Amino acid sequence: EVQLLESGGGLVQPGGSLRLSCAASGFTFSSYAMSWVRQAPGKGLEWVSAIGGSGVGTNYADSVKGRFTISRDNVKNTLYLQMSSLRAEDTALYYCAKRTGDSWGQGTLVTVSS
Amino acid sequence: DIVMTQTPLSSPVTLGQPASISCRSSQSLVHSDGNTYLSWLQQRPGQPPRLLIYRISNRFSGVPDRFSGSGAGTDFTLKISRVEAEDVGVYYCMQATQFPYSFGQGTKLEIK
Repeated sequence: EVQLLESGGGLVQPGGSLRLSCAASGFTFSSYAMSWVRQAPGKGLEWVSAIGGSGVGTNYADSVKGRFTISRDNVKNTLYLQMSSLRAEDTALYYCAKRTGDSWGQGTLVTVSS
Repeated sequence: DIVMTQTPLSSPVTLGQPASISCRSSQSLVHSDGNTYLSWLQQRPGQPPRLLIYRISNRFSGVPDRFSGSGAGTDFTLKISRVEAEDVGVYYCMQATQFPYSFGQGTKLEIK
């Protein structure tokens, strides 16, 4: 059974940094692209970033380009999202998803506020 | 960037009756590999999204056959043949043909 478990969310001040993790199990992690998708409170889904199975090939939404970095460790079966220069509008529940969404974690909440 | 537009944004439906959601993309979703990467996801209240349909019309594992997808190019439709109480939630279309990937605004399905 595919399992994705996000962690690392929390309260951070504007301009601060945070690193999210997504521990994957139940499938051959290195064989699949992975994505981060976020959902602001009461709002719809917003694609954030994706990375290829080998870690080569990354893409970002314009809203996070230059501030967020996606990466993965295929030995630890873990996906990461390094977030810096955080803004209030980055406040959201952050989900990791296998490929373009065939499995999803429960999400980790990031709140950017002073 | 590709913009995804869903209609309606809210759909009150009677139990046992059909429901239909439309999704239109601002440009063709046909990939250079010949596939069309248009998916439908369901998000029940308080839950993460769940994949229902991928590549226009393929039901994902475990999805009831009352859900079906159709369309081509820029116009796509999700149909529920007979709505059940567990179908309440928000439905999103998503394109993964071109980066940045994008979602529709979501359609809230509720029971009359």
